[in-house]
Amino acid sequence: GAVVSQHPSWVICKSGTSVKIECRSLDFQATTMFWYRQFPKQSLMLMATSNEGSKATYEQGVEKDKFLINHASLTLSTLTVTSAHPEDSSFYICSAHGRSGGQYFGPGTRLTVT
Amino acid sequence: AQSVTQPDIHITVSEGASLELRCNYSYGATPYLFWYVQSPGQGLQLLLKYFSGDTLVQGIKGFEAEFKRSQSSFNLRKPSVHWSDAAEYFCAVEGSGGYQKVTFGTGTKLQVIP
Repeated sequence: GAVVSQHPSWVICKSGTSVKIECRSLDFQATTMFWYRQFPKQSLMLMATSNEGSKATYEQGVEKDKFLINHASLTLSTLTVTSAHPEDSSFYICSAHGRSGGQYFGPGTRLTVT
Repeated sequence: AQSVTQPDIHITVSEGASLELRCNYSYGATPYLFWYVQSPGQGLQLLLKYFSGDTLVQGIKGFEAEFKRSQSSFNLRKPSVHWSDAAEYFCAVEGSGGYQKVTFGTGTKLQVIP
């Protein structure tokens, strides 16, 4: 149990375009999901908390107009990187709390902006 | 605010040798504590977690961790390392009370030599 999936696993886009990343809890409902960003050889940094049916809560320094989060259902949260730039290239990981506690992470999405 | 320190950036051990990865945390009360493992280009896998009770926690893949309140530590151990254990290991802390933010340490990269 507590499986979280992400799609796509890898995406390349041109600078100025937008990219949507999906995060799904496959076998449980998640009222709260989290989006993290990981630069190469660095730790995970929390970007925002995604709440089902309400606005996301962003961490300090994260541009909410650039990183749009939508948590439309109990099993799906999306992160849209708008007007992507090369510095947005990173590994984006989502997570959700499982029933037995602890956060379960998706496999991650590697974004490369050219 | 909570924080996590992993003092060892990189550790090298011989296959079959014992392993201990250090983790120190800062939190006002007893937090929830986790160890995750990440292989290159992959997402995070939960190794074990501590919420309360027995301070020695058993996890997957033969790992265990001991919560020591007096030292604010949650060190990860394995009696005999296998080559497949080579990966990045992250200690994480979550505020108790459920559905809190998770803060990650900077990670320890484990190299296993034959």
